[in-house]
Amino acid sequence: DTAVSQTPKYLVTQMGNDKSIKCEQNLGHDTMYWYKQDSKKFLKIMFSYNNKELIINETVPNRFSPKSPDKAHLNLHINSLELGDSAVYFCASSQDRGKAFFGQGTRLTVV
Amino acid sequence: DQQVKQNSPSLSVQEGRISILNCDYTNSMFDYFLWYKKYPAEGPTFLISISSIKDKNEDGRFTVFLNKSAKHLSLHIVPSQPGDSAVYFCAGRPYGGSQGNLIFGKGTKLSVKP
Repeated sequence: DTAVSQTPKYLVTQMGNDKSIKCEQNLGHDTMYWYKQDSKKFLKIMFSYNNKELIINETVPNRFSPKSPDKAHLNLHINSLELGDSAVYFCASSQDRGKAFFGQGTRLTVV
Repeated sequence: DQQVKQNSPSLSVQEGRISILNCDYTNSMFDYFLWYKKYPAEGPTFLISISSIKDKNEDGRFTVFLNKSAKHLSLHIVPSQPGDSAVYFCAGRPYGGSQGNLIFGKGTKLSVKP
């Protein structure tokens, strides 16, 4: 009964392709996030989103876009994939002022 | 520009002894600090947090100390157990941000040997 689940766990794709990573949380949290862990192991926030506001880290290329069909889901769409997009992507959620819960991560490899 | 720094990439400790993981931050923009633990192929899991107005928070075997004047915090694990072997991330929450809007350090890999 996973609290924050992401699919797929592994994703290998060619440069130039468009791909999506799905995230779902069953905790009833108001806010969801996407983080990227790069090859240097830094975990950096990409987006935070609740039903009122999307906050985008200014360093994130506009090829990345979050889409939230409802409060329990925040999917990540990536257009025109590049080699440098290879990383582990983590979804997370939190209730306002509550601690964040993370998904298990999606390892994206662009070849 | 690293705002949260964990300068030790790894730490090895004998079972039963104390593990001390260190973290430094570069400015005073954080109102909360958190420690997360991460096993391979899993997401980070919350361990313990401390408000910037406190200097100590304890939860079982885990204690976090905050020294604001030195911009330094540390996580103490006593006694260390083999199951504690994982990567530990220190994170700061900017003022006004929700708990998931965090700035992470690079992590310290702790190995607890039986």
